[in-house]
Amino acid sequence: AQSVAQPEDQVNVAEGNPLTVKCTYSVSGNPYLFWYVQYPNRGLQFLLKYITGDNLVKGSYGFEAEFNKSQTSFHLKKPSALVSDSALYFCAVREGRYSSASKIIFGSGTRLSIRP
Amino acid sequence: KAGVTQTPRYLIKTRGQQVTLSCSPISGHRSVSWYQQTPGQGLQFLFEYFSETQRNKGNFPGRFSGRQFSNSRSEMNVSTLELGDSALYLCASSDGTGGVQMGYTFGSGTRLTVV
Repeated sequence: AQSVAQPEDQVNVAEGNPLTVKCTYSVSGNPYLFWYVQYPNRGLQFLLKYITGDNLVKGSYGFEAEFNKSQTSFHLKKPSALVSDSALYFCAVREGRYSSASKIIFGSGTRLSIRP
Repeated sequence: KAGVTQTPRYLIKTRGQQVTLSCSPISGHRSVSWYQQTPGQGLQFLFEYFSETQRNKGNFPGRFSGRQFSNSRSEMNVSTLELGDSALYLCASSDGTGGVQMGYTFGSGTRLTVV
């Protein structure tokens, strides 16, 4: 069965420091991988996605993610954290590249807190 | 281009009642997916509609149903509401063809409170 795991409920980082939010996945076939961010009382906003190609994917707001097939991981990173990055982050995977019956499975979310 | 519109934003219902939520996807998008978000269970997939047909379904009881109209707008209905149905219901829009533009655009959600 497909799944995605975010092992950390909360990540605390000082402003200006690098941040990493971890994600591992388990799917059959080649996955599509996503990161979304959610601010209070809002829907999810797309940050970035991995489909194929370069293992380092760059996205919105200075975020990037590294796809590692051997470790089945897709960690979200940012070189220098901002207080405004504080939010709930979701890793997600969509099974199948051409499957019309696929769906997106979300991790449990990681709350990122950036202290000034 | 207008985003995904969900109405209403907030709802308070009594246990046993039924409720209908609405979602208008991005113009041109034919796929609408629904998710339930709760603090304990995270984001749970309810169902997906594509061109007026339910294409995928999650593990929710039959009290949860949906439909999609010819203009791609979708509604979800929950009958015989239970306290545990209190959640943020999110609608996600995509073109649905499975191509490289896969990925969702979410609405702001409907916050349902059952009392």
